[in-house]
Amino acid sequence: GQNIDQPTEMTATEGAIVQINCTYQTSGFNGLFWYQQHAGEAPTFLSYNVLDGLEEKGRFSSFLSRSKGYSYLLLKELQMKDSASYLCAAPNQAGTALIFGKGTTLSVSS
Amino acid sequence: DSGVTQTPKHLITATGQRVTLRCSPRSGDLSVYWYQQSLDQGLQFLIQYYNGEERAKGNILERFSAQQFPDLHSELNLSSLELGDSALYFCASSASGGAADGYTFGSGTRLTVV
Repeated sequence: GQNIDQPTEMTATEGAIVQINCTYQTSGFNGLFWYQQHAGEAPTFLSYNVLDGLEEKGRFSSFLSRSKGYSYLLLKELQMKDSASYLCAAPNQAGTALIFGKGTTLSVSS
Repeated sequence: DSGVTQTPKHLITATGQRVTLRCSPRSGDLSVYWYQQSLDQGLQFLIQYYNGEERAKGNILERFSAQQFPDLHSELNLSSLELGDSALYFCASSASGGAADGYTFGSGTRLTVV
């Protein structure tokens, strides 16, 4: 089976740093994705980790530990426009489709 | 513009009716995926097509069906609609049939069943 868990909601203030955690259980492993989704809009790709460690991309970084079944998305220098849902996803066992967590809704306030 | 085109953007219909949602993948992409997103649910995988053939099935109801045509566009047919079918329906495409390539999503069709 496959299970992806992430917190439902988080709040933070402008300029701060926030870490959104994701734990996953998969029969096989083919990498872990993070997507951003603003309300009513399409999810957009943020990052993909297949090896352990931290991948940095501007204000956003993503970390993966395969042995712990754990990933996090780190958002620095938060801006109001970062208010969105952040979705953790992993390929299914067959590697044919992405299975998504329910998403973490991040609210950034001034 | 992501390059994945979904029509219509909004659809309002009555219970018991049948609707067709359309998706054109990004140029060069062979795989099309359909997802349903309800208010309290995450993105639920429905079905995948690759180069005209069904590749994978998720939690798709028997009342729902899909196909991919020779020009690679895809249609999702929803019949005997119920109130609970109200949701955002997303189409995504990728170059290959493997999910590890990641997806590009369309802007979605918001279906409201009244």
